[in-house]
Amino acid sequence: EPEVTQTPSHQVTQMGQEVILRCVPISNHLYFYWYRQILGQKVEFLVSFYNNEISEKSEIFDDQFSVERPDGSNFTLKIRSTKLEDSAMYFCASSEDLPSGPYNEQFFGPGTRLTVL
Amino acid sequence: AQSVTQLGSHVSVSEGALVLLRCNYSSSVPPYLFWYVQYPNQGLQLLLKYTTGATLVKGINGFEAEFKKSETSFHLTKPSAHMSDAAEYFCAVSGRHTDKLIFGTGTRLQVFP
Repeated sequence: EPEVTQTPSHQVTQMGQEVILRCVPISNHLYFYWYRQILGQKVEFLVSFYNNEISEKSEIFDDQFSVERPDGSNFTLKIRSTKLEDSAMYFCASSEDLPSGPYNEQFFGPGTRLTVL
Repeated sequence: AQSVTQLGSHVSVSEGALVLLRCNYSSSVPPYLFWYVQYPNQGLQLLLKYTTGATLVKGINGFEAEFKKSETSFHLTKPSAHMSDAAEYFCAVSGRHTDKLIFGTGTRLQVFP
């Protein structure tokens, strides 16, 4: 069964360093998302991406964050200068572009746990 | 604005007992409502969803939920808990003009033999 994969599963970095979190969405999917969950808090939407551009982003997704689809398979989230408060589980998701139906299911990856020291 | 409240961060039931996980939502537009489950070290998996039509929706693994507009609720139930149901459950809301999901804080379900 196709699935969304994420690497690494756990990333430890020093405050101020740049990190890149990688995701491989399901191959025929066209919509891509990043969410994050700070320990003990809600899963929060960060950004959605379609047709090589951001379609929607939250207030959390400031200039320190960027997303990219560098090739036909990967979808990345970059944090330019990490802060302690960026420590969280980051989930990638993807969905198809179905012409019918009101909602396209988002399939989630297992997450990358980012720890900023 | 949309939001979701899940009552009870932890719920414990005996195997074979009824499972009831509560979710209330707030939305200024007709909502789409979802329940996701997360097993340890895995991603979020969609259990069931309500978009339009029948208000009682059935999902995988014997779970179901009922959309009650008058109560702004979308509680998740299962008649008989199984040990394999132990996981974290998330309620989420979305809408017609956005596909972003807004999640609740989650409920950890424990099932005792």
